Amino acid sequence: DAGVIQSPRHEVTEMGQEVTLRCKPISGHNSLFWYRQTMMRGLELLIYFNNNVPIDDSGMPEDRFSAKMPNASFSTLKIQPSEPRDSAVYFCASSLTPGQGAGANVLTFGAGSRLTVL
Amino acid sequence: RKEVEQDPGPFNVPEGATVAFNCTYSNSASQSFFWYRQDCRKEPKLLMSVYSSGNEDGRFTAQLNRASQYISLLIRDSKLSDSATYLCVVNDAGKSTFGDGTTLTVKP
Repeated sequence: DAGVIQSPRHEVTEMGQEVTLRCKPISGHNSLFWYRQTMMRGLELLIYFNNNVPIDDSGMPEDRFSAKMPNASFSTLKIQPSEPRDSAVYFCASSLTPGQGAGANVLTFGAGSRLTVL
Repeated sequence: RKEVEQDPGPFNVPEGATVAFNCTYSNSASQSFFWYRQDCRKEPKLLMSVYSSGNEDGRFTAQLNRASQYISLLIRDSKLSDSATYLCVVNDAGKSTFGDGTTLTVKP
């Protein structure tokens, strides 16, 4: 398996532009997570899905952020409009859910998308 | 107060030293526990799960005290390659919360 695949790896954009980050989880993993990492706030959970359904989006900063998971192999995180304070590394991770077997709740992360908003 | 708190660090130790990291968590309903390692500008990767009875993986020993809501990681005979940030992770019903991490630098 190629692991969790994220794109783009780097994005530089101007304030006000729309940003779309993409993620392909590991095949067979039923849970998908979006995290954001900054020096000031560490790793923050933004939202997670179980079987393509959003379970907890309490970490989504505000209405400018939205996430979708239209099928088991693809998810997007969108920021519209982007602001300089959104600059961070955005990680997608996937895992087996409890009951799926050994390794449940063990997160496998993608390489991250480093976003810079000017 | 953060849900998961770790030693602030950084820890700077010589090769061969033993170093211990501590972590406390506030959610008593937490069910599973992990240590992850993150190298500079890389993604976090699982180091080891933490079990109630304590567990060991080579030079690494993890312990859990549910009553005190405390997790620890001990690294023996530290190597240069152990230099990284170590993240304590607590899971409740599928949701993983990360500590801010403790940075370890092992020097020759």
